[in-house]
Amino acid sequence: GAVVSQHPSWVICKSGTSVKIECRSLDFQATTMFWYRQFPKQSLMLMATSNEGSKATYEQGVEKDKFLINHASLTLSTLTVTSAHPEDSSFYICSARGRSLIATNEKLFFGSGTQLSVL
Amino acid sequence: AQKITQTQPGMFVQEKEAVTLDCTYDTSDPSYGLFWYKQPSSGEMIFLIYQGSYDQQNATEGRYSLNFQKARKSANLVISASQLGDSAMYFCAMRERGGSNYKLTFGKGTLLTVNP
Repeated sequence: GAVVSQHPSWVICKSGTSVKIECRSLDFQATTMFWYRQFPKQSLMLMATSNEGSKATYEQGVEKDKFLINHASLTLSTLTVTSAHPEDSSFYICSARGRSLIATNEKLFFGSGTQLSVL
Repeated sequence: AQKITQTQPGMFVQEKEAVTLDCTYDTSDPSYGLFWYKQPSSGEMIFLIYQGSYDQQNATEGRYSLNFQKARKSANLVISASQLGDSAMYFCAMRERGGSNYKLTFGKGTLLTVNP
C-alpha cells in the first residue's frame, strides 16, 4: 500500500525557534497533502490543505504566517512552525492523496505524526 | 453543528467478543464517503474501512464491518472477535463531495480497551 513518511517523530525546541516537519509520499505522487493538529485525547483538526505548486489553503482560525506550508514537489510537503511557543505544542500529522489511488477506495494515507514540545 | 458524532468516549470489551463503535453524521451532500481509522498509542492513523454513500452493501474488511444505515445517518463500526491489539482510539470520518480538496472531517473518537 501507499506509504507516507513523516519526520521527525519527536521534536523538542525552545520557545521562539522555528521547527520544520516533513511529509513525504514514498511510492506515489501526492497531488494534495493535508496537515492536521491533534491535542491529547482530542480529534484531528484540519489546519491546511496544500496542492503541489500552489499556495496552501488554511482553515479558519489557523495563522498562515505561523504555520508555513510548502508543497514544492509531488512527493514532499513541509510544515514550518515559526517562532514556536508552548501553546504550539501538539501532535501534527500529515496525510496525502495521490493521482494513482483507486477512486472507489478513496482512502487517505497518513504519516506517523510528529509530537512537538515547545519549552 | 458537528458533522461527525461519536457518542462513546470510551468502550471496554472482552477479548474474543464483538464490539460496536457508534458514529452518526450530518450532511446534505448526496455523495459522501465514510471512513474509520484506528490510532494506536504510537500515533499513526491506520485506515480500517470505507463506505460510499451509494454503496448498496455494507462494507467489510476482515474482522471489521460497517453497519451503514443511510436513513438514520449512522455508520457504526463492528469489530468481531476482539484482540488485545485492537486497543486504540477509533475515529469515524466523513468526506463530502463539495469542494475540490477532498477534506476529511473527523469525529472526537472512541477509546477502545480490550480486556484479556
